[in-house]
Amino acid sequence: AQTVTQSQPEMSVQEAETVTLSCTYDTSESDYYLFWYKQPPSRQMILVIRQEAYKQQNATENRFSVNFQKAAKSFSLKISDSQLGDAAMYFCAYHTNNDMRFGAGTRLTVKP
Amino acid sequence: GAGVSQSPSNKVTEKGKDVELRCDPISGHTALYWYRQSLGQGLEFLIYFQGNSAPDKSGLPSDRFSAERTGGSVSTLTIQRTQQEDSAVYLCASSLGFQGGETQYFGPGTRLLVL
Repeated sequence: AQTVTQSQPEMSVQEAETVTLSCTYDTSESDYYLFWYKQPPSRQMILVIRQEAYKQQNATENRFSVNFQKAAKSFSLKISDSQLGDAAMYFCAYHTNNDMRFGAGTRLTVKP
Repeated sequence: GAGVSQSPSNKVTEKGKDVELRCDPISGHTALYWYRQSLGQGLEFLIYFQGNSAPDKSGLPSDRFSAERTGGSVSTLTIQRTQQEDSAVYLCASSLGFQGGETQYFGPGTRLLVL
């Protein structure tokens, strides 16, 4: 079974600094999608960034970027210029056409 | 509506009672998903619908859990004879279609507490 592992239950970053959240996954598929979702205290899950496995170029969305290493099955999220509003649980997710797996999450704290 | 809505937002019930959780997806979204999030845990995928059909029900934790979707819109997750271990936040999401790359839009969840 495909699994998604987030090895950092908690992370902390100083405001305006950069932080990287780790995610690894296990799959035998060649065609899949990877996502990072953010869940603030309000509980509403929000898409942060999305990566297609067939694309070599790393996805970027403003201050958020990923380091996708397909051979290593690694998909880390880098948050640059961290802001107080970035504080949340972050979930890494793996999707195919018939399967969806989420990691256990990383709680990010942003210190002013 | 503008987003996915779920009701109730909170539900407290007694062990052994049945509960129904409702999800209203974004209009026009054909795919709908149910997840369970236990305290401090990630999301556990329960079931998805393509239109009104649920091709795979193997993710449901037990036969006490069932889900249906009517008219390609509203979905209901029913838990019969609730147990304390059913206490969790139940999240619903919808997407335009059911392809791996589709972005899922989540509702705010229903927090279920079984006493």
